[in-house]
Parts: sequence; C-alpha cells; structure tokens
Amino acid sequence: NAGVTQTPKFRILKIGQSMTLQCTQDMNHNYMYWYRQDPGMGLKLIYYSVGAGITDKGEVPNGYNVSRSTTEDFPLRLELAAPSQTSVYFCASSVGFTMNTEAFFGQGTRLTVV
Amino acid sequence: EDQVTQSPEALRLQEGESSSLNCSYTVSGLRGLFWYRQDPGKGPEFLFTLYSAGEEKEKERLKATLTKKESFLHITAPKPEDSATYLCAVQAPGNQFYFGTGTSLTVIP
Repeated sequence: NAGVTQTPKFRILKIGQSMTLQCTQDMNHNYMYWYRQDPGMGLKLIYYSVGAGITDKGEVPNGYNVSRSTTEDFPLRLELAAPSQTSVYFCASSVGFTMNTEAFFGQGTRLTVV
Repeated sequence: EDQVTQSPEALRLQEGESSSLNCSYTVSGLRGLFWYRQDPGKGPEFLFTLYSAGEEKEKERLKATLTKKESFLHITAPKPEDSATYLCAVQAPGNQFYFGTGTSLTVIP
C-alpha cells in the first residue's frame, strides 16, 4: 500500500514551458487535492476533486489545470510556467471531505521556474 | 485577510518541558479544524480533526483542544522526536481549506 505517490520529486522549468505533475493514490479515496507551499506561507489549495470526472477550484487556481479521469489519478497541469509558480506542490487524498476524515499527503514536488 | 494564525512561529523546548501551540482562526461557519505534523522535506501527516467547541483529542504526548476562536496543541513531556513543524488548518463553508504558516518545534535533549 503506497498511499499517495507524486512524481517527479524535483523539476526545473524554463519560463513558458509546460509540465504535468503526477499524483496517484491506491487507497480508493474519492477526494483528492492539490496544494502549493511557499516559504513562510501556509499551504494554499489549488484544485480539488470529489470523484472521477468532478473537479473544482480552490483558493489559488490561476495558471493551473486539473483532470480526474480515474479515482486513482489527479494530475496537475502547468501550461505556461511563470516564476511565481516556483513552489513545493503537495497532492493529498481522503475518504471524505469533511470532519473526521484523515487526509494523506504525498512527499511533494519541488518545482523551480527560471 | 488571514484566516488562520499560528503562534509562536518557532519554539525551542528542553526534553520534558511541556508547552502549548496556538491556532486562532477567523473563519465563520467552521466545518472542521485540523492539526498536521510536517517533517523537513516531507508532506504533512494528519494528527487530529476537531469540529465543535469543547472537543478534545489525544494522541501519545499530544492533546488538541478547540474553542470558538482558537485551538491549542498541548505537548506534554516532549521528546526530541517530536521536533517538527506543526500545521493548523480550517475548513470553511464552500469546501475551502485554509492553512496557518505553522509552528516550528525543536526539542533539545
């Protein structure tokens, strides 16, 4: 049981390049989330999904896109990378979306845009 | 507008010296308050969920409590392995989550 797996762990992008951050979970969780974590700032919710085929915006969605074609996978797409997107990105999943539901986080993807 | 404020930013304790971390929030209609532990280079690890004032939860040397405007994470007789950043998060109506910036705890042997 691997939990939540993110790839890659590290990536350097040039301004204007595109990339997809991969996230997969093997716990059959319906709910999945993408966060970014900047130094000295709290985690910010980018997008979330309540099940396959359903996604919704979080607090900071601009510059990102997501899809959820299966229960297991929730990739995050950056179309035109900008320096402001330099951050550590975390994917998480949970059985439920509210109280008493334990969210499991991946190990993170450290992205630098130069 | 900060939704979640954690204090102190950093805390150094001697092994066995008990203390408390604070998380205050301004969210209306709280759906839940969460505590996580984060080790360097790792993702957050879930500790507790609280969702009504007066609620308390315990796990080993940690106890979380909740009032109408803040939560405390009490650490009793901490050990060096308790050193980590402790994050607080709240869930607001509309399925939004807001995290605090964390308290970095160092426990000195």
